[in-house]
Amino acid sequence: HLQVQESGPGLVKSSETLSLTCTVSGGSMNSSTSYWDWIRQPPGKGLEWIGSVYYSGNTDYNPSLKSRVTISADTSKKQFSLKVTSVTAADTAVYYCGRRYCDGDCFSTYFDDWGQGVLVTVSS
Amino acid sequence: SYELTQPPSVSVSPGQTASITCSGNKLGDKYASWYQQKPGQPPARVIYQDTKRPSGVPERFSGSNSGNTATLTISGTQAMDEADYYCQSWDSRTVVFGGGTKLTVL
Repeated sequence: HLQVQESGPGLVKSSETLSLTCTVSGGSMNSSTSYWDWIRQPPGKGLEWIGSVYYSGNTDYNPSLKSRVTISADTSKKQFSLKVTSVTAADTAVYYCGRRYCDGDCFSTYFDDWGQGVLVTVSS
Repeated sequence: SYELTQPPSVSVSPGQTASITCSGNKLGDKYASWYQQKPGQPPARVIYQDTKRPSGVPERFSGSNSGNTATLTISGTQAMDEADYYCQSWDSRTVVFGGGTKLTVL
């Protein structure tokens, strides 16, 4: 059974860079139908998709965050990572990593596996 | 950008049917998925490809999608179904979530 788990600092200073890593266990990242995603949820609010990486290195990003976000994968380590630059208090959230199923053109796409999430607080 | 709209809250009595809607432009031409999230837990998929239930999800959960609206229906709602529910779809290489609906079982 595939599992994903987030790790990284729980506190980041305003204007600095938030960095998180997601480790995949119990399965391979090199699946043609799997995308590796980051999603966040501010306290008491809804889910916001941040972006995704494919095992080939191809990425997709939420247009509202694209200028500050980088997602990359190291399939040999079975890890993928998230960097968000120039963070502010608005970036305070629980950050989830997840595996998303995607058919050929992603007409059918949905999340199969989620990590437990990590709370990242941006301090001034 | 594509948007999905959900009612902020829905209330239902135990044993009754709860319906949660998700509206988006021509959503019926896309697939919709639904996730249940309980406090302190990550979301869990309850419906995918509009109508399919993952293994282990009770039969009382069902979905439909037509026109501009996808609907999650919970028949014979139980107290354990009280949670936040999110719809999700895909547009222009972007995952889109609805704003979420808090289901209260009174």
